[in-house]
Amino acid sequence: DIQMTQSPSFLSASVGDRVTINCKASQNINRYLNWYQQKLGEAPKLLIYNANSLQTGIPSRFSGSGSGTDFTLTISSLQPEDVATYFCLQHNSWPFTFGSGTKLEIK
Amino acid sequence: EVQLVESGGGLVQPGRSMKLSCAASGFTFSSFPMAWVRQAPTKGLEWVATISTSGGSTYYRDSVKGRFTISRDNAKSTLYLQMNSLRSEDTATYYCTRGGAYWGQGVMVTVSS
Repeated sequence: DIQMTQSPSFLSASVGDRVTINCKASQNINRYLNWYQQKLGEAPKLLIYNANSLQTGIPSRFSGSGSGTDFTLTISSLQPEDVATYFCLQHNSWPFTFGSGTKLEIK
Repeated sequence: EVQLVESGGGLVQPGRSMKLSCAASGFTFSSFPMAWVRQAPTKGLEWVATISTSGGSTYYRDSVKGRFTISRDNAKSTLYLQMNSLRSEDTATYYCTRGGAYWGQGVMVTVSS
């Protein structure tokens, strides 16, 4: 199975800060990497698909980059409503696997 | 609007069975692969099973292979997950998802005596 190593596990930042979250795959997954946001008690929401494509309706402050084994989710200017846990997902090969999550809070 | 509504969860004893359903609407159900993803309490996400548009191809994570069966009824726009020989480690919220892009609200399954 492809292992997805996500970092950091926890992140505290101020409103307006630029925030980055990373995922590293244990082998090449091309660009088959999605990013999700999950708020407490809710289902995951797709933010970015195929490494850098913004899902419809998602604010442009969210962006994704990377290919191969190293990927980054960037929030350009953190907003209070961005408090959530963020997960990456590789869908290059079965079984699809998620990162362990990054819990983001406002400082 | 895409809607996915899961049902069928609850409390079940170890070794018993349970069947989850996911009613889909707002899109042509038969045109999309579907999947189940689960999340144990306060834990991360696990992709459990995927089914092709026709139902002819299915994929399972190793920990549920031989115990869980994913199926679909395209005429009813409904996805199913038959779970047999349930274990305590199967306790989780189970989400129905259309290719990882759209998700239901989830249904809780608790396996406990």
